[in-house]
Amino acid sequence: EVQLVESGGGLVQPGGSLRLSCAASGFTFSSYWMSWVRQAPGKGLEWVANIKQDGSEKYYVDSVKGRFTISRDNAKNSLYLQMNSLRAEDTAVYYCARDLYYGSGSPNDYWGQGTLVTVSS
Amino acid sequence: EIVMTQSPATLSVSPGERATLSCRASQSVSSNLAWYQQKPGQAPRLLIYGASTRATGIPARFSGSGSGTEFTLTISSLQSEDFAVYYCQQYNNWPPNTFGQGTKLEIK
Repeated sequence: EVQLVESGGGLVQPGGSLRLSCAASGFTFSSYWMSWVRQAPGKGLEWVANIKQDGSEKYYVDSVKGRFTISRDNAKNSLYLQMNSLRAEDTAVYYCARDLYYGSGSPNDYWGQGTLVTVSS
Repeated sequence: EIVMTQSPATLSVSPGERATLSCRASQSVSSNLAWYQQKPGQAPRLLIYGASTRATGIPARFSGSGSGTEFTLTISSLQSEDFAVYYCQQYNNWPPNTFGQGTKLEIK
């Protein structure tokens, strides 16, 4: 059974940093592109970033470029999102998700339950 | 960036009836369109990809159609567990993938 479990969310002040983790199991993690998708409270879904199987390609939505970094450790079956210079508008539930396709735009066929990030003073 | 527009924002339908949800893209996305279902407090679930292919384990009452800029999700006979929010997503022009704002399907 495919499982994705996020952790690392919490309350952080504007300008602060946070690192999210996603532990994957039930599939060959190193064979899949992976994504982060977020959802602000009461709002819709926003794709944030994704990363190639070996970490050599990474893509971001414009609003987080230069502030967020996606990474992975295939030996630990883990996906990460380092978030720096956080803003109030980054407040959201952050989902880890598996990409269905390789090397292109892709829907996401499995999702974690999400971790809440709140940016507030 | 491609803008996805869903209509209506809220749809009220009785159990057992058919529901039709629409999604429009600001430019052609070919058939690179997915639909998701999200219930309160839960993660989204992939229903349809490639505009019309059901994801693993999705009941046959869910069907998708369309290409280019106009897409439809049809639920043929609504069950109680189908009342939720539905999102469309284009992945043709990436990055970024972009989602519609959602349609809330509620019990009439």
